[in-house]
Amino acid sequence: DGGITQSPKYLFRKEGQNVTLSCEQNLNHDAMYWYRQDPGQGLRLIYYSQIVNDFQKGDIAEGYSVSREKKESFPLTVTSAQKNPTAFYLCASSISGVSTDTQYFGPGTRLTVL
Amino acid sequence: AQSVTQLGSHVSVSEGALVLLRCNYSSSVPPYLFWYVQYPNQGLQLLLKYTSAATLVKGINGFEAEFKKSETSFHLTKPSAHMSDAAEYFCAVTLPWGNNNDMRFGAGTRLTVKP
Repeated sequence: DGGITQSPKYLFRKEGQNVTLSCEQNLNHDAMYWYRQDPGQGLRLIYYSQIVNDFQKGDIAEGYSVSREKKESFPLTVTSAQKNPTAFYLCASSISGVSTDTQYFGPGTRLTVL
Repeated sequence: AQSVTQLGSHVSVSEGALVLLRCNYSSSVPPYLFWYVQYPNQGLQLLLKYTSAATLVKGINGFEAEFKKSETSFHLTKPSAHMSDAAEYFCAVTLPWGNNNDMRFGAGTRLTVKP
């Protein structure tokens, strides 16, 4: 079955630590996205990538980093510089990056800072 | 910049009753509009989308939405609620010539269905 997988489902981090969230897709999509979801705020775009080896900052990129070395993988690192990292993180992909393309979402990773 | 406002963070209906979830948009040009559904601790799933074709859009699970330019609205409806419709619903907007990174989501409406 084609789809998007995210791991882990739950992640706990101590203050001052960097953590990496995994996102893998086997849909052969060019574009991939990372969103952050907080209660009552909808989704906010952290980073996006329209092609391998290229990515752009979204609205709330500070304290996050990404890489796109392979088409199917788009890992997100939450660094210690992110002041309030506790949230639900969603990865998505689309065939290309154009606005008519449907975005397909993974099941999410819930990050909690202890 | 484009944006959407979802009126009502919580909506409760009885099973079998009409579901109406409200979404109003702000955009300098006629936008593309989307409704997504999210079940607890899961990702979002597309219900339907408007991309400047027919103004009445039918989606999955019996949902539909109508684009009304004069009212800048894109409300989501379903004639008869089912218990399985309980979830959070997000309206989203983007620009026709833009990219998906221009998409903006509303804050969400949590739908409760009472037996």
